[in-house]
Amino acid sequence: AQRVTQPEKLLSVFKGAPVELKCNYSYSGSPELFWYVQYSRQRLQLLLRHISRESIKGFTADLNKGETSFHLKKPFAQEEDSAMYYCALSPLLDTGRRALTFGSGTRLQVQP
Amino acid sequence: DTGVSQDPRHKITKRGQNVTFRCDPISEHNRLYWYRQTLGQGPEFLTYFQNEAQLEKSRLLSDRFSAERPKGSFSTLEIQRTEQGDSAMYLCASSPEEAGAGNEQFFGPGTRLTVL
Repeated sequence: AQRVTQPEKLLSVFKGAPVELKCNYSYSGSPELFWYVQYSRQRLQLLLRHISRESIKGFTADLNKGETSFHLKKPFAQEEDSAMYYCALSPLLDTGRRALTFGSGTRLQVQP
Repeated sequence: DTGVSQDPRHKITKRGQNVTFRCDPISEHNRLYWYRQTLGQGPEFLTYFQNEAQLEKSRLLSDRFSAERPKGSFSTLEIQRTEQGDSAMYLCASSPEEAGAGNEQFFGPGTRLTVL
């Protein structure tokens, strides 16, 4: 069975501080990993995915298959980064199945 | 707005009543998904359509739940004999069929169901 764990429900940092949102997964194959973000009163939207290996809004995430982790990082947090962040896994790459498995989310609060 | 749309945005019903939600995907997307999200949790997968074919169903989708996508465009999710445990946000998502697109899914605003 596949599982995504986000151990922190809330992460509070000051503006300009580094941010790391943790995500660990359990899956035996080759997953596709995503970070989705939900800003206040907005819909869930994709932030980034590991196969594109890009940086969005200053955020990066590296898939570590040895540690089964996909932590989200940003060197200098901004107040507008305050939101709910969800890590998600897809088994698509090796099973063809498309259901996303989400973690329970981490709320990031960036204080001024 | 050319994103995924859902109707209604809010629904309050009494236990035992039937409810139906509608999802309109992004027009060029042939894949459509339903998820359920309860307070403090991430979305949980319910079912997935490719065009009009329902290809995946979660064990969460009990026999009181049924989803359809008859013409491969919009989809409906019906819950019969609602229970208080059905209270949740019901999310719809869609994705395109493109080589190399991976499994990026675009989400709608959700329908919040409250069962009294």
